[in-house]
Amino acid sequence: GAVVSQHPSRVICKSGTSVKIECRSLDFQATTMFWYRQFPKQSLMLMATSNEGSKATYEQGVEKDKFLINHASLTLSTLTVTSAHPEDSSFYICSANPGTGPHEQYFGPGTRLTVT
Amino acid sequence: SQQGEEDPQALSIQEGENATMNCSYKTSINNLQWYRQNSGRGLVHLILIRSNEREKHSGRLRVTLDTSKKSSSLLITASRAADTASYFCALTQGGANSKLTFGKGITLSVRP
Repeated sequence: GAVVSQHPSRVICKSGTSVKIECRSLDFQATTMFWYRQFPKQSLMLMATSNEGSKATYEQGVEKDKFLINHASLTLSTLTVTSAHPEDSSFYICSANPGTGPHEQYFGPGTRLTVT
Repeated sequence: SQQGEEDPQALSIQEGENATMNCSYKTSINNLQWYRQNSGRGLVHLILIRSNEREKHSGRLRVTLDTSKKSSSLLITASRAADTASYFCALTQGGANSKLTFGKGITLSVRP
């Protein structure tokens, strides 16, 4: 149980285009999902907290107009990188929290974004 | 900063040896977790230890927490080549949906 999927796993796009990444909890409902980005050989940096039915909470320094987050249902959150630039190239990882029991987050497998 | 700081940054050991990784932090925590990440993959949750716990075991993993020293250690016994990965400690301070703050990670290489 507690499986989180991400789609796509890998995407290459041209500078100036937008890319949408999906995060789904497959066998549980998640009122809260988190979006992270990770640069090579570095730690995960939290970008935003996504709450079902409400606006996402962005971390300091993360542009909400550039990284659009939509948590449309209890099993789906999407991250859209708008007007992507090469510096947006990164590994994006989502996680989902069932909100019960220990404070575990279940992580997706990540999406490798390359902007050319 | 609430970020955990792991040490060493990189560790290389022979298969069969034990690997010990440490995480230190600066403020109070609700719980501390350890995760593993294989190259280019997502994170796998290994173990969670609450602030009122001192030690937990899971298979070949042993985690300790010393809140007075604000530090935790992850011990992997009888290491295997498949244990080669990056290991992160992550801290939470608040309620059930509180965010995780990750350390920079430790790269473990287990030589066959």
